[in-house]
Amino acid sequence: ILNVEQSPQSLHVQEGDSTNFTCSFPSSNFYALHWYRWETAKSPEALFVMTLNGDEKKKGRISATLNTKEGYSYLYIKGSQPEDSATYLCAFNPGNTPLVFGKGTRLSVIA
Amino acid sequence: EPEVTQTPSHQVTQMGQEVILRCVPISNHLYFYWYRQILGQKVEFLVSFYNNEISEKSEIFDDQFSVERPDGSNFTLKIRSTKLEDSAMYFCASSGLYGYTFGSGTRLTVV
Repeated sequence: ILNVEQSPQSLHVQEGDSTNFTCSFPSSNFYALHWYRWETAKSPEALFVMTLNGDEKKKGRISATLNTKEGYSYLYIKGSQPEDSATYLCAFNPGNTPLVFGKGTRLSVIA
Repeated sequence: EPEVTQTPSHQVTQMGQEVILRCVPISNHLYFYWYRQILGQKVEFLVSFYNNEISEKSEIFDDQFSVERPDGSNFTLKIRSTKLEDSAMYFCASSGLYGYTFGSGTRLTVV
């Protein structure tokens, strides 16, 4: 059974603070690692699809890194804003089977 | 931007009743999926569908569940006799060359 773990489960930060959270996944049979941002009552929004060890991707104030050898990815948010409040999901893609999701990190940014 | 649409957004049903959740995937995608998230738990894979047949299903997807693509555009999930523990958010997704796109989900409440 493939296991994807995310930590922390929830996080409260002040507006302007930078923050990061972790996704751990199996280091074998790796194809891709997906990050999604999910606001309640909306579709999970794709942030990044990461495939290469050492990869770093950036979208505005959000960036992510990937270590496939040790099986982890970090998501960073620089200068958090209230609109960043959401659940951030990572999903492991072994390539020949559907995505396996972590439980998500629920971020609340307090103004 | 193409979207995956799901209807209804919220369904309340009595235990033992049949429900059908509907999804319209992105038109040029070939793979379709149903996932669910029970409140407070991980997003779980239910079933994938390709070339008009189930390509993979999880142990959750028992005989009470079925999927169909009745008319070439809709993709439905049927639960024959709902149980209280079927209460969850059900997400449809489709995938193409550039990754997965999720719908905004149907919240199913079984009472």
